[in-house]
Amino acid sequence: DVKVTQSSRYLVKRTGEKVFLECVQDMDHENMFWYRQDPGLGLRLIYFSYDVKMKEKGDIPEGYSVSREKKERFSLILESASTNQTSMYLCASSSRTGEQFFGPGTRLTVL
Amino acid sequence: AQSVTQPDIHITVSEGASLELRCNYSYGATPYLFWYVQSPGQGLQLLLKYFSGDTLVQGIKGFEAEFKRSQSSFNLRKPSVHWSDAAEYFCAVGPYSSASKIIFGSGTRLSIRP
Repeated sequence: DVKVTQSSRYLVKRTGEKVFLECVQDMDHENMFWYRQDPGLGLRLIYFSYDVKMKEKGDIPEGYSVSREKKERFSLILESASTNQTSMYLCASSSRTGEQFFGPGTRLTVL
Repeated sequence: AQSVTQPDIHITVSEGASLELRCNYSYGATPYLFWYVQSPGQGLQLLLKYFSGDTLVQGIKGFEAEFKRSQSSFNLRKPSVHWSDAAEYFCAVGPYSSASKIIFGSGTRLSIRP
């Protein structure tokens, strides 16, 4: 089975802090994704990566950056956390067929 | 524009009753269609997918979905729901290719009445 893990299930940070969310997949997938999920808005794509050191902006990249130094790891960075970034963050990976496999999510609260 | 519409935000059905969750999509090319389920506090799990072939696809947990090209729909069905089916369900559409950006609907929350 494909396994996607995220470094934290719950995280509480203060406004202005730099926040790192880590995601690791064990199926040698080329593509990895970061979404945020908010009630009534569904999943919104923040960034995705189709190869090591490659990244593309999704629909809502403002206030976020990403890093992919190794194929299995995709990090989401909040340079200066703000309260409007309080959300559920979901990581996913996919093979060439496009089917995405999701991690359990990180619920981030910014105070 | 490419989009996925799930017209029902919240549905409540009785345990043992049949279920149909609606999904309509707008997509320029041949779509690759998915249904995912999300239990409270969890990530998304793939229920089933469709790209080509038989338009009625079977998934896990007893779910099935039917692709109707003429109606741009991909509705999810289950003949008899169980209390454990209470969750949020997402329909999604994407291209059959690498680096696929899947577009998700806003979800339908399913509650089960005992």
